[in-house]
Amino acid sequence: NAGVTQTPKFRVLKTGQSMTLLCAQDMNHEYMYWYRQDPGMGLRLIHYSVGEGTTAKGEVPDGYNVSRLKKQNFLLGLESAAPSQTSVYFCASSYVQINSPLHFGNGTRLTVT
Amino acid sequence: AQRVTQPEKLLSVFKGAPVELKCNYSYSGSPELFWYVQYSRQRLQLLLRHISRESIKGFTADLNKGETSFHLKKPFAQEEDSAMYYCALSGRAGANNLFFGTGTRLTVIP
Repeated sequence: NAGVTQTPKFRVLKTGQSMTLLCAQDMNHEYMYWYRQDPGMGLRLIHYSVGEGTTAKGEVPDGYNVSRLKKQNFLLGLESAAPSQTSVYFCASSYVQINSPLHFGNGTRLTVT
Repeated sequence: AQRVTQPEKLLSVFKGAPVELKCNYSYSGSPELFWYVQYSRQRLQLLLRHISRESIKGFTADLNKGETSFHLKKPFAQEEDSAMYYCALSGRAGANNLFFGTGTRLTVIP
């Protein structure tokens, strides 16, 4: 049982390049989330999804797009990467029940030069 | 707006000493509060939540609405408690997304 799997683990991009981060969960969770973690900032919610085919903006959505075409996958896209998007990105998932714990992936460390 | 404040970035205690990690929150509604922990080379995971009123690994946390606090406490720290601790608040209906504090790195000195 892998839980929440993020790919890739590391990536270096040049300014203006695009990329997609993949999150996959095998727990049949309805809810999925993308967070970014920056020094001194804690984790901040980028986008989230309450079910297949749905997405919603979080606290810091600008510069990112997401898609949830399949229940088990939640993709985070950067269309034109900027140095300000250098961060560690965490995916998480949870059951529908209120206050169900979030299950996190191991994170993706992205550097934009 | 929701806000979670963890005033201590770093906290060091000796093994066997009591430990308290502070968390204060700001939220106009009725908050649901959590502590998440990240041990070295492991993923972030739930430690405890206030609605369960449980003790996990010897840790407890009491919600004090008057002081808007949710401090994490353990009477006798162990070396394996060394980790990064995040306080988090859930205040939005319809999803379980959380607002996190900036975290406190706890080091237990042998």
